[in-house]
Amino acid sequence: GENVGLHLPTLSVQEGDNSIINCAYSNSASDYFIWYKQESGKGPQFIIDIRSNMDKRQGQRVTVLLNKTVKHLSLQIAATQPGDSAVYFCAEKRDSSYKLIFGSGTRLLVRP
Amino acid sequence: DTAVSQTPKYLVTQMGNDKSIKCEQNLGHDTMYWYKQDSKKFLKIMFSYNNKELIINETVPNRFSPKSPDKAHLNLHINSLELGDSAVYFCASSQDRSRGRGSYNEQFFGPGTRLTVL
Repeated sequence: GENVGLHLPTLSVQEGDNSIINCAYSNSASDYFIWYKQESGKGPQFIIDIRSNMDKRQGQRVTVLLNKTVKHLSLQIAATQPGDSAVYFCAEKRDSSYKLIFGSGTRLLVRP
Repeated sequence: DTAVSQTPKYLVTQMGNDKSIKCEQNLGHDTMYWYKQDSKKFLKIMFSYNNKELIINETVPNRFSPKSPDKAHLNLHINSLELGDSAVYFCASSQDRSRGRGSYNEQFFGPGTRLTVL
């Protein structure tokens, strides 16, 4: 079925620490995954993506890890900053489909 | 130089009214989407158009009717508004391959339209 979910609805971290946001997906046919960041009052903003032929992808301060064996996706944010406070969504799709399926979101709170 | 824009940003209306939300993208993308985000922040696809052709039509009441006059615009008209229609509606766009095939390209989202039905 279509089920992309997150383990933790809210994550609170100290400024400067690393953050890890987790996501589980259920469709083993999904081959493309995206992390979006949504700040209050704004639309989702692309952070990083990964295809199923990769296990890890790095961006600026962010890393996405994909474990296809257990259908798990994670977003790591290094040296978390106040500006990172937002709701983070994972999303999945299959290459052959236009349909992007979103998880339920995790709120990241950064303590000063 | 806004990539995906929506109007209005806020819409407050009475139950039973008919309203429209407009979306425009200047990215040259050929696929556009409407999403609904409920009070729990859950984002769900409603419709998608590729080159003005409807390609995704989720289980949405037929009071909702999308219209794509051209590749750069996708409007959403809602008839007989109900309390449960209150939500934030997001438009998005992406560049995809030919009809029937998606791609590995990200979707760009607009700022959202907060609809409140009283």
